[in-house]
Amino acid sequence: DTGVSQDPRHKITKRGQNVTFRCDPISEHNRLYWYRQTLGQGPEFLTYFQNEAQLEKSRLLSDRFSAERPKGSFSTLEIQRTEQGDSAMYLCASQGTYGYTFGSGTRLTVV
Amino acid sequence: LAKTTQPISMDSYEGQEVNITCSHNNIATNDYITWYQQFPSQGPRFIIQGYKTKVTNEVASLFIPADRKSSTLSLPRVSLSDTAVYYCLVGGGGYNKLIFGAGTRLAVHP
Repeated sequence: DTGVSQDPRHKITKRGQNVTFRCDPISEHNRLYWYRQTLGQGPEFLTYFQNEAQLEKSRLLSDRFSAERPKGSFSTLEIQRTEQGDSAMYLCASQGTYGYTFGSGTRLTVV
Repeated sequence: LAKTTQPISMDSYEGQEVNITCSHNNIATNDYITWYQQFPSQGPRFIIQGYKTKVTNEVASLFIPADRKSSTLSLPRVSLSDTAVYYCLVGGGGYNKLIFGAGTRLAVHP
């Protein structure tokens, strides 16, 4: 069990650019979640996958955000035309029989 | 999902016992109470979960009164490395997206 891996750990991008983050969940976990966390706040739910199916999306997930989980393994979260308000920590979690495991997150800074 | 209320921050000293109380007045019959710990630049980490009475593991104890409208996370003999944000969450088993509040920022001083 290598835990949940997220890549990159840090990303600095210029406003208007597109960015993509990757999450590798624990291999036997079929549920995968994306959260966003801003400074001083708890993580906010963005979206959830059961295997390759995206079953729920938060209204926080604007049309500039898209997530995929091809073949029910790793997942990607893409943000198009980034805005300064997108600056945050993006966390991925996978869920197995005994609960959730979070990755260390990708910290996005939009300048 | 039941809303939770917990103190914004707490201070303690090394070696002391710390108790963080969480209110969840609207907890449902099938809801569990779960606590997570988060260090800077890391994702939340599961600490303990319970349904009623008392649960203890190697890290903490969780006390839940009979009415289940509150719970108390107890950290024995804290050290500097326990400085973190602690989140109280309430929800049912199985699939349930986690709903985090702002958490309690615990600062442990030498």
